[in-house]
Amino acid sequence: KNQVEQSPQSLIILEGKNCTLQCNYTVSPFSNLRWYKQDTGRGPVSLTIMTFSENTKSNGRYTATLDADTKQSSLHITASQLSDSASYICVVSPNNAGNMLTFGGGTRLMVKP
Amino acid sequence: NAGVTQTPKFQVLKTGQSMTLQCAQDMNHEYMSWYRQDPGMGLRLIHYSVGAGITDQGEVPNGYNVSRSTTEDFPLRLLSAAPSQTSVYFCASSLFGQGKYEQYFGPGTRLTVT
Repeated sequence: KNQVEQSPQSLIILEGKNCTLQCNYTVSPFSNLRWYKQDTGRGPVSLTIMTFSENTKSNGRYTATLDADTKQSSLHITASQLSDSASYICVVSPNNAGNMLTFGGGTRLMVKP
Repeated sequence: NAGVTQTPKFQVLKTGQSMTLQCAQDMNHEYMSWYRQDPGMGLRLIHYSVGAGITDQGEVPNGYNVSRSTTEDFPLRLLSAAPSQTSVYFCASSLFGQGKYEQYFGPGTRLTVT
């Protein structure tokens, strides 16, 4: 069964610090992996989308890495801000069709002043 | 562009009642889908549509109906609400299949069934 596991489940860091969130998946075949940010009470918003051939992708202070061989991805947040407090969701697609996305359970990040 | 809009934001139903969750997008996206999000679990696909007049079931379709009469609208109908349908519902749209293109989510509808 296709699965996406994220760790840690929750994380508290101080403002200005860096952090790394992990995503391991068993989805096969693999088409692309994306990271979403979901603020409390809102819908997810896409941060990055990576295909098989991409191993690093940045979006401002967010940098995602992908190792398709080990089926692992990470999301690194640099110089965290209070507005980074949110859930971060890893999503893997096995193809370009629309009906087989597998969502991870998310990591809840809290940034404290 | 308003993007993806959903109404209502909150709803409380009694067991056995029916209702329709509304979803609309103004980006001319062919692909639309409905998800539910439960605590500690990833989003799960309920139904999806690849264009007007075409719908299909996702992972958890039981108890829900959809239709797609226009490109813009994709309502989700709860036929006879059950407490197990208490959840947050998200509608999403994209240009093509979700797998390849940017997916845009609505703000969600929080549904409680008592």
